Amino acid sequence: AQSVTQLDSQVPVFEEAPVELRCNYSSSVSVYLFWYVQYPNQGLQLLLKYLSGSTLVKGINGFEAEFNKSQTSFHLRKPSVHISDTAEYFCAVTPNDYKLSFGAGTTVTVRA
Amino acid sequence: EAGVAQSPRYKIIEKRQSVAFWCNPISGHATLYWYQQILGQGPKLLIQFQNNGVVDDSQLPKDRFSAERLKGVDSTLKIQPAKLEDSAVYLCASSLIVGTHEQYFGPGTRLTVT
Repeated sequence: AQSVTQLDSQVPVFEEAPVELRCNYSSSVSVYLFWYVQYPNQGLQLLLKYLSGSTLVKGINGFEAEFNKSQTSFHLRKPSVHISDTAEYFCAVTPNDYKLSFGAGTTVTVRA
Repeated sequence: EAGVAQSPRYKIIEKRQSVAFWCNPISGHATLYWYQQILGQGPKLLIQFQNNGVVDDSQLPKDRFSAERLKGVDSTLKIQPAKLEDSAVYLCASSLIVGTHEQYFGPGTRLTVT
């Protein structure tokens, strides 16, 4: 079975500052990794995914994430956030490409 | 293209009542998922359909939850009877085929059981 731990439940950040959201996972097999964003009263939207290849993955809206197999981590970063990045962010893993296991989420609040 | 549609968006019922949620996936998407998202937690998969057949319902509480996907398009999720702990957002997602990592989510139905 797989499990996902998002180390920060809430991250307040000022506009134009960088942000990092931490995600660690546990699995006995190789996994695929994802970050989803959920804006208020909306469904989840895929930000980026790691399937194979380069461990640095670039996604939409200026986000990127780095897969670290030895540390079983997949941290999400953005160098400069906007007010519109205020949302909840979910890390997810799957061993077989469809049954996603999600973390509990990190709420990002961007302040002017 | 139109996204995944869900209705109703909000529902309040009393415990022991029944409730049904509806989902219309993206046109052409063969795979449909229902997730339960309890406040403060990530979504949890309840059931997955491939066309009108069930692929995985291992986490569906079958004594009170049921789901169907007639004709391989729309789907309904039913709870009967509801319990207080069923209060959650119910998300529907769809993907082109099983085994693809690109799931598209609807806005969800927020259920409150009082």
